[in-house]
Amino acid sequence: DTGVSQDPRHKITKRGQNVTFRCDPISEHNRLYWYRQTLGQGPEFLTYFQNEAQLEKSRLLSDRFSAERPKGSFSTLEIQRTEQGDSAMYLCASSPLRAGIFRNEQFFGPGTRLTVL
Amino acid sequence: AQSVSQHNHHVILSEAASLELGCNYSYGGTVNLFWYVQYPGQHLQLLLKYFSGDPLVKGIKGFEAEFIKSKFSFNLRKPSVQWSDTAEYFCAVITTYGGSQGNLIFGKGTKLSVKP
Repeated sequence: DTGVSQDPRHKITKRGQNVTFRCDPISEHNRLYWYRQTLGQGPEFLTYFQNEAQLEKSRLLSDRFSAERPKGSFSTLEIQRTEQGDSAMYLCASSPLRAGIFRNEQFFGPGTRLTVL
Repeated sequence: AQSVSQHNHHVILSEAASLELGCNYSYGGTVNLFWYVQYPGQHLQLLLKYFSGDPLVKGIKGFEAEFIKSKFSFNLRKPSVQWSDTAEYFCAVITTYGGSQGNLIFGKGTKLSVKP
């Protein structure tokens, strides 16, 4: 399967713990996006990488959240000191650089469902 | 702030009925428009997209959407739905506004249930 993969698919943690999610984009896709989706809502943008550079962060991304893409391939999203409000589906998407930035089709992974108890 | 509105939260249809899902966006400048679909247990997939040109765009599985700039709308249609169209449908836009880096702005989604 050459699609976007995410790991783990499900994570249950206790409030106050740190969690880390991983996203592997489609090979050679330079752009990588993180979104968060809560129940009854559409996905909301969190942050964006072009290669290894993090170019944009949403106001939703509090100081407890950090994302990296160290070699321009896979990306990690870490949440420190989790809160119950962090419970959501975290989605990763990638797109190729060849398309214009405003016309890029984004390919989504299956998501990581986080439950904070 | 830019936003996308989907008018219906849950639509229930019988097979062979016609479908129209509404989508309106708030931004008046250049937008690129998308419909994504999420089948039960699967991840988001692109259904169709509009960038420019003919405002009536055709996507996969017999879906089409019409961009009406004056109404800020991008409604999704299908003449005859099938049970396999049961899914959640998301309208999304990319704007060129305010330093956007091409992130999608999604509506809340419309859940479609098709009765066999």
